[in-house]
Amino acid sequence: RKEVEQDPGPFNVPEGATVAFNCTYSNSASQSFFWYRQDCRKEPKLLMSVYSSGNEDGRFTAQLNRASQYISLLIRDSKLSDSATYLCVLTHQTGANNLFFGTGTRLTVIP
Amino acid sequence: DAGVIQSPRHEVTEMGQEVTLRCKPISGHDYLFWYRQTMMRGLELLIYFNNNVPIDDSGMPEDRFSAKMPNASFSTLKIQPSEPRDSAVYFCASSWTGAKNTGELFFGEGSRLTVL
Repeated sequence: RKEVEQDPGPFNVPEGATVAFNCTYSNSASQSFFWYRQDCRKEPKLLMSVYSSGNEDGRFTAQLNRASQYISLLIRDSKLSDSATYLCVLTHQTGANNLFFGTGTRLTVIP
Repeated sequence: DAGVIQSPRHEVTEMGQEVTLRCKPISGHDYLFWYRQTMMRGLELLIYFNNNVPIDDSGMPEDRFSAKMPNASFSTLKIQPSEPRDSAVYFCASSWTGAKNTGELFFGEGSRLTVL
């Protein structure tokens, strides 16, 4: 079983739509969680951390549910520039920086 | 400031040949990571170093793969002999101790390897 499971998509949504991605993880001891963004043929870049209480960064909201072992990313008012692959990421230890990545969910925002 | 620099950006080689990928981390970073990305398996951590010392190489697929970090500004990932299934994008990333809780790794642009 993969450590991090994501729906690969693709998700095709119109501009202005709200879209949500989920990610599940198998190791209940996983400690820290993040979302990365990867544009086509580019390197991954950190989008945001995911906190237990949920957190928001502009149009992006991340949630963590430890009991069900999943995290989510909600994007409101989608922009064309949001088109990318979103990677679910975790660590096994608090403060560790060796990251484990999901295979990603591809989002295309359509004009 | 320069980011993580990888070379070559693209390499096409024949099965059985030796491949060497190179990485220069961001100056001042004390962690260096090698990842491999394929469509099927996504990003896989191969090995990482702290202060030039390998910490965890459990992700290295087999003995054909080796990585070194002779100094703080240079690392290599070597595949010998290469096989078609090694075809992937190999990313190098760096980070520093002060950023350990942030989850932020700084990735290079990757080396796209094709083994024929």
